[in-house]
Amino acid sequence: EIVMTQSPATLSVSPGERATLSCRASQSVSSKLAWHQQKPGQAPRLLIYGASTRATGIPARFSGSGSGTEFTLTIAGLQSEDFAVYYCQQYNNWPLTFGGGTKVEI
Amino acid sequence: QVQLVQSGAEVKKPGASVKVSCKASGYTFTNYDVNWVRQATGRGLEWMGWMNGNSGDTGYAPKFQGRVTMTRNTSTTTAYMELSSLRSEDTAVYYCARGRIHDYWGQGTLVTVSS
Repeated sequence: EIVMTQSPATLSVSPGERATLSCRASQSVSSKLAWHQQKPGQAPRLLIYGASTRATGIPARFSGSGSGTEFTLTIAGLQSEDFAVYYCQQYNNWPLTFGGGTKVEI
Repeated sequence: QVQLVQSGAEVKKPGASVKVSCKASGYTFTNYDVNWVRQATGRGLEWMGWMNGNSGDTGYAPKFQGRVTMTRNTSTTTAYMELSSLRSEDTAVYYCARGRIHDYWGQGTLVTVSS
């Protein structure tokens, strides 16, 4: 199975700053990479799919990049509602797998 | 609008089985897979398997093979996930999600396994 590794585990940033989250796959997943956001007590929400395509209703401050084994989620100008845990997920190979998550905190 | 509404919380004893439902609305049920993902308290997301909404074909993560069964009822647009031989480590919130990219998620169902 493909192992997804996210870094850092925790990212401390101030509102208005930029956050850069990384996700690495143990083998190529092409561009079949999604990012999900999860807030405490809530179900995850899809942010990005196809490595760089924003899901419906996702603000432009969220952007994704990368292909193959290295991926990045960038949040430009963090707002209070963006403090959450972010998971990457590959859907190129079975079984689908998630990274361990990056917590973005104030 | 697309909605996935799951059944309520369950408490089970070790060795028992649990069956969680996921009622889909707002889209053509047979056009999408349904995936199941679980999350233990304070832990990350763990993919369990998928089911084709049209054919009923399934694929399970190796960890759950032999213990999980995913089914559907197309007339009621409801997907089901049954997990057997429950143990305390299966205590978690179980989510259904639409499609490979998981573009919509259910609200989650807490399953507690305790003697």
